[in-house]
Amino acid sequence: SQQGEEDPQALSIQEGENATMNCSYKTSINNLQWYRQNSGRGLVHLILIRSNEREKHSGRLRVTLDTSKKSSSLLITASRAADTASYFCATDADDYKLSFGAGTTVTVRA
Amino acid sequence: DGGITQSPKYLFRKEGQNVTLSCEQNLNHDAMYWYRQDPGQGLRLIYYSQIVNDFQKGDIAEGYSVSREKKESFPLTVTSAQKNPTAFYLCASSHSTGELFFGEGSRLTVL
Repeated sequence: SQQGEEDPQALSIQEGENATMNCSYKTSINNLQWYRQNSGRGLVHLILIRSNEREKHSGRLRVTLDTSKKSSSLLITASRAADTASYFCATDADDYKLSFGAGTTVTVRA
Repeated sequence: DGGITQSPKYLFRKEGQNVTLSCEQNLNHDAMYWYRQDPGQGLRLIYYSQIVNDFQKGDIAEGYSVSREKKESFPLTVTSAQKNPTAFYLCASSHSTGELFFGEGSRLTVL
């Protein structure tokens, strides 16, 4: 079952701008993860945030988690052409099982 | 280098045929997974295995079968019972933190 839902479905920005995408989920979670997928490739793990954390940073990535609203956001700062990809949130509704959303497709224009 | 290897990258199947997708990992991970991805959609879990010789059905297991005879290997067979098998198939493995490591995927097309 699909637990996470990303918003927007697609995002087009100019190089150097920030990109923000959101994820909403339905049930309680232990952690929430974000992944990136380049076209036709496998997914790459970006960041994991636990349910007792509110914010986490990794390089140009900033993730927030609001468990009261059952939502998370991923911010990519100072975007580059190489950031063009689809971004997915994933939640662990059950042990060993991650549930993925449909993703946000980000296009960074030069 | 450690990682997950999926093969073949592209596969064509005639109606009524079974095909097997290979997934091998050298990350020493206990858990392995198979996901299906359709265009513009997220990943749906087909099967997963937490330890050798044990596996569980995911959300869309009908028409698929797996085996886990070795820790490193988790092959997926797409049987003729799967009515709409054309998709991108992704294998993954994970350690205790839950972070998934993915292969590069196998694209199956039914002719």
